[in-house]
Amino acid sequence: KAGVTQTPRYLIKTRGQQVTLSCSPISGHRSVSWYQQTPGQGLQFLFEYFSETQRNKGNFPGRFSGRQFSNSRSEMNVSTLELGDSALYLCASSFYVTNTEAFFGQGTRLTVV
Amino acid sequence: SQQGEEDPQALSIQEGENATMNCSYKTSINNLQWYRQNSGRGLVHLILIRSNEREKHSGRLRVTLDTSKKSSSLLITASRAADTASYFCATDAGLSFGGAQKLVFGQGTRLTINP
Repeated sequence: KAGVTQTPRYLIKTRGQQVTLSCSPISGHRSVSWYQQTPGQGLQFLFEYFSETQRNKGNFPGRFSGRQFSNSRSEMNVSTLELGDSALYLCASSFYVTNTEAFFGQGTRLTVV
Repeated sequence: SQQGEEDPQALSIQEGENATMNCSYKTSINNLQWYRQNSGRGLVHLILIRSNEREKHSGRLRVTLDTSKKSSSLLITASRAADTASYFCATDAGLSFGGAQKLVFGQGTRLTINP
């Protein structure tokens, strides 16, 4: 069974640009969530999607957005990139029942220059 | 902000010794999950313990949960060099049906196993 797949693995962007990251969850998982990891702030929750609906959103500016498709694949978008957006972005998927494990992908390392 | 506080922040032990990491949290939870991360890569799921459970084992891992004290501990027995990594606890306090809602992570414990 394939794990959570995130693409691309590495990305370098310039300030002001926008970026789209992709996440394919484990087959059968309908909940997808996104996290940002930085040395200073640690692991921070961005948002969570279930059946194409955003159910939870973390404390991030509106430049951070996401969506989920009917096949449960998810994308997140960051517009008008800032240097502080440089981070490891992690996607997690979980089964559709409550109280189950969340499995993470390898992450996308975004560097903003 | 982080819900969890992990203790210690760093731990260095000799191979073969046991390693214990602690996690405290602030709000009521559905479950608590432990993860391992090697050198800024993805998180590897280790174990989930539900709020109505007190102890759980998986191989060399033992996790305890004390909801009255809002704390958990992860014990790794007979440590190996390959256990060198950062370990994170994450609490899930989601209220809606379906999936892991919103994990809140601690700052992690950096574990180093010396050969």
